[in-house]
Parts: sequence; structure tokens; C-alpha cells
Amino acid sequence: GAVVSQHPSWVICKSGTSVKIECRSLDFQATTMFWYRQFPKQSLMLMATSNEGSKATYEQGVEKDKFLINHASLTLSTLTVTSAHPEDSSFYICSVSQGPNQPQHFGDGTRLSIL
Amino acid sequence: SQKIEQNSEALNIQEGKTATLTCNYTNYSPAYLQWYRQDPGRGPVFLLLIRENEKEKRKERLKVTFDTTLKQSLFHITASQPADSATYLCAPGDSSASKIIFGSGTRLSIRP
Repeated sequence: GAVVSQHPSWVICKSGTSVKIECRSLDFQATTMFWYRQFPKQSLMLMATSNEGSKATYEQGVEKDKFLINHASLTLSTLTVTSAHPEDSSFYICSVSQGPNQPQHFGDGTRLSIL
Repeated sequence: SQKIEQNSEALNIQEGKTATLTCNYTNYSPAYLQWYRQDPGRGPVFLLLIRENEKEKRKERLKVTFDTTLKQSLFHITASQPADSATYLCAPGDSSASKIIFGSGTRLSIRP
């Protein structure tokens, strides 16, 4: 299956800091990537669909100015959590897909802890 | 609104038995349904995809069924092993978009 690399795997920072998370598709060009958030003992919640060369599509209730997504190339999407606060502490995971009816391939996630 | 329910939050099974997990959906007519496995602190790993015109799909010890009348998918692991212990997620999807929405997940524990 596709290999997806996510970096960093763990971030601890102070409240008010902005944090950037990278998601790379290593073995195919991905026009679409997805960003999810997962709180402890809960399922993955889709935050947004990242579209190469255009604006991301955010799910209802997700603040686009808070969670900035940039998908400038076919192999890289970034998620920036701006002015992070303790309630933003979570497990953030990206995925890539080759299209509808196709499996998604996930990165290993980034655990974000805001003090 | 669309709703996806996995029947139990946790399931404990004796090694060697068949584990059966349930995924029910409402207000939705997915074109396909996927099952993923997630281990603690890791991203989900794709297991199987079944399309609406398929009743059943198998892969080694795994079997998935898809009943569009009952709006339900069943996921079976036969001859279960402790290494099968993980959280299993179902994710229906439609043919017009790549995005999928995950169910709440079932945490499966296989005891030796």
C-alpha cells in the first residue's frame, strides 16, 4: 500500500504557539489528502479535505482560520494549528487516497500537547 | 444527518473463536464500505473494501458482509489470535467523493 509520512510524531509546546504538521505521500502523487483529529478513546473526526493547488474544504464546525491547510505540491500537505490552546491537544492524522472507492492510507499521526 | 454506529465499544473473545463486529448506518446509502484496524498511537490500516453490489468479501481469516437492505455490515475474524487485538473501524463512502466518515470503533480483545 501507499506510504504516508507524517512529521513530527510528537509536539509539546506552550499555549499561544503555532504548530505546523507535515504530511507526505511518498510513493504516489496525491491531489487529495485528508486531515483527521482523534481525542482519547474516540474515533477519527474528519477536519478537512486538502486539495492540491486550491483551498481546502473544511467540515462543519472546524475553524478554517484556526487550522490552516496548505497543499502546495502533489506530495505534501501541511496543517498549521494557529495560536494553539490546551483544548487543541489531540492526535492529528493525515491520509491520502487515489480516489473514490479506493482505500485511504494513513500516516502514523502527530500527538500534539499544548501546555 | 448521517449516522454510523458500531455495535459495541468493546468486545472480549477467547482465542480461537470467531469475532463478529457490527456496523450500522442510517440516513445514508453508501456505495461502498471499508474496514480499518487501528493500534494504540498509530494511524488506521486498511483491511477490506466491499462495494454495494457485493454481498461478501474475504481476505485470509477476515470476512466482510454488506446488507444494503438492513443497512449493515458485519466484520468477522475467524480463528482469532491475541495479535488481532485492536480497535476496528468501519467507514462507509460514496462514489462521488474520496472522503469517508468513520464509525465510533469497536475495541477487540482476544484473550489467550
